[in-house]
Amino acid sequence: NAGVTQTPKFRVLKTGQSMTLLCAQDMNHEYMYWYRQDPGMGLRLIHYSVGEGTTAKGEVPDGYNVSRLKKQNFLLGLESAAPSQTSVYFCASRSSGGVQYFGAGTRLSVL
Amino acid sequence: QQQVKQSPQSLIVQKGGISIINCAYENTAFDYFPWYQQFPGKGPALLIAIRPDVSEKKEGRFTISFNKSAKQFSLHIMDSQPGDSATYFCAARAGTGGFKTIFGAGTRLFVKA
Repeated sequence: NAGVTQTPKFRVLKTGQSMTLLCAQDMNHEYMYWYRQDPGMGLRLIHYSVGEGTTAKGEVPDGYNVSRLKKQNFLLGLESAAPSQTSVYFCASRSSGGVQYFGAGTRLSVL
Repeated sequence: QQQVKQSPQSLIVQKGGISIINCAYENTAFDYFPWYQQFPGKGPALLIAIRPDVSEKKEGRFTISFNKSAKQFSLHIMDSQPGDSATYFCAARAGTGGFKTIFGAGTRLFVKA
């Protein structure tokens, strides 16, 4: 039982490049979330999904897009990376009991 | 109104001491208040959580105290151990709208041996 798996673990991008972060969960959870974590700011919600085929904006959605084509996967895309998107990105899924399970994170640097 | 304010930013406690982290919120629609523990290089993990219909919840050395009228809640770590050294986040969640969780800024706890 892997829980929530994020790939890649690390990435360095140049300004303007694009990339996709993958989140996979094997717990059959309906709700999934993408957060970014910056020093002194806690975790801020980027986008979330309440089920396969649905997505919604969170607190800081600008510059990001998401897709939930399959229940187990939640993808976060950066179309044109900016230095302000340098951060640690966490994916989480939520159990029916309300507990959020987090992945190990992706460290992204945009130069 | 969506903010959760957490203090202190950092905390140093002697082994065996009590660690106390405080949080405050404004939105009365919040109905679930979890605390997460995060070790370096790892994702946050749920430590303990409380709902506003109780004033205290204890799990082992960890206790949440909740004051609904003051809109404040706190985490107490009794008999703090070096292995408790981590970053702690308080959070609050409303029961609607995707169950979005708002996190505090975090407290870095260091327990001295």
